[in-house]
Amino acid sequence: GQGVEQPDNLMSVEGTFARVNCTYSTSGFNGLSWYQQREGHAPVFLSYVVLDGLKDSGHFSTFLSRSNGYSYLLLTELQIKDSASYLCAVRDRNNNNRIFFGDGTQLVVKP
Amino acid sequence: NAGVIQTPRHKVTGKGQEATLWCEPISGHSAVFWYRQTIVQGLEFLTYFRNQAPIDDSGMPKERFSAQMPNQSHSTLKIQSTQPQDSAVYLCASSLAQDTQYFGPGTRLLVL
Repeated sequence: GQGVEQPDNLMSVEGTFARVNCTYSTSGFNGLSWYQQREGHAPVFLSYVVLDGLKDSGHFSTFLSRSNGYSYLLLTELQIKDSASYLCAVRDRNNNNRIFFGDGTQLVVKP
Repeated sequence: NAGVIQTPRHKVTGKGQEATLWCEPISGHSAVFWYRQTIVQGLEFLTYFRNQAPIDDSGMPKERFSAQMPNQSHSTLKIQSTQPQDSAVYLCASSLAQDTQYFGPGTRLLVL
């Protein structure tokens, strides 16, 4: 919804990093969140950004460029347990501040 | 803090029957959201309440779906005359300021 797009799949190697991209075309952008969802479980909140730039939260970092309608979630020092779906969610002030989710990127971390 | 509670965790209904799903938000959270998730459609927004008032139900199929929040401690999603295509995981989430949503474990609905 609201043009929130993510790649379907991403593969990386344990101990390295992975960058999960998200683009959006929301006219009333009012914040972007990232969620992690493991198989058979509900989404879990990771990070929220509303200002441009990089927000470092340790294992997870997020970047936002509002002018480009682009964000990424960066996972460093990957562990096998980081394998999960990562969902990008954009809030739109022009739609009752509703949150629109992307379809998620399935990250597989290999040994 | 028990988190968002959803009951039942699993429900199986026959085609044409009614299904009622329950959600208890985190105490003190002012917003409650309902989503459904399938492999094909992903996470779909259904409706949300703020301070018990319905704010946006644009994601709700109009004819058979309804949601209510009679008090601040619970919300219900009712599906009348269930159809096989209603089979999904129904997720409830609550939040304080809408930037962070805390999801419940979901109700897995199977319509035979």
